[in-house]
Amino acid sequence: QKEVEQNSGPLSVPEGAIASLNCTYSDRGSQSFFWYRQYSGKSPELIMSIYSNGDKEDGRFTAQLNKASQYVSLLIRDSQPSDSATYLCAVNSRYSSASKIIFGSGTRLSIRP
Amino acid sequence: GAGVSQSPSNKVTEKGKDVELRCDPISGHTALYWYRQSLGQGLEFLIYFQGNSAPDKSGLPSDRFSAERTGGSVSTLTIQRTQQEDSAVYLCASSRTSLGTTQKQYFGPGTRLTVT
Repeated sequence: QKEVEQNSGPLSVPEGAIASLNCTYSDRGSQSFFWYRQYSGKSPELIMSIYSNGDKEDGRFTAQLNKASQYVSLLIRDSQPSDSATYLCAVNSRYSSASKIIFGSGTRLSIRP
Repeated sequence: GAGVSQSPSNKVTEKGKDVELRCDPISGHTALYWYRQSLGQGLEFLIYFQGNSAPDKSGLPSDRFSAERTGGSVSTLTIQRTQQEDSAVYLCASSRTSLGTTQKQYFGPGTRLTVT
């Protein structure tokens, strides 16, 4: 089982609709969760972070965390063509005294006009 | 302020040669990470530094790969005797620390390595 799992997509959503991206993780001790956006040929860019159960909203983006279900999601409201990118879920993972971030393989999102 | 910088942006090398990739993190960031991304693939973790020490080297693919960090700042990733399968984009990221809410990572533009 992968430590951080995402549906690779592509996920196609009409412009103006809500895009829903999902991520599950295996380490119950994880405490920090991040969503990155990566445009083709570019580096990942941090767009959301969440640390406690519930929803966190930032503009058109909402991150949702459910630690009991080991599930984190990203909602994008009023989707725009510029939202077309690969979205990477990242989760911290503890190994003894070290802590590192594990990335999922990403979901490719396509917003159709 | 300045972001994470990496050099060179592109590197073409012949199979069997050694290469050095450089990362200059955001000033004050104590944690530094190296990743590799092949075309159309996800991020492959290589190594991370907290200060000058590397608590986790588990991602280094082979003993041809090594990395160091000096002065808690600049890091160099060295690949010896390069192979064609080493061709990828090598990404560096830094964060304030490697703990909790300060783990937000900021990525550099990457070095595209092509081994011919």
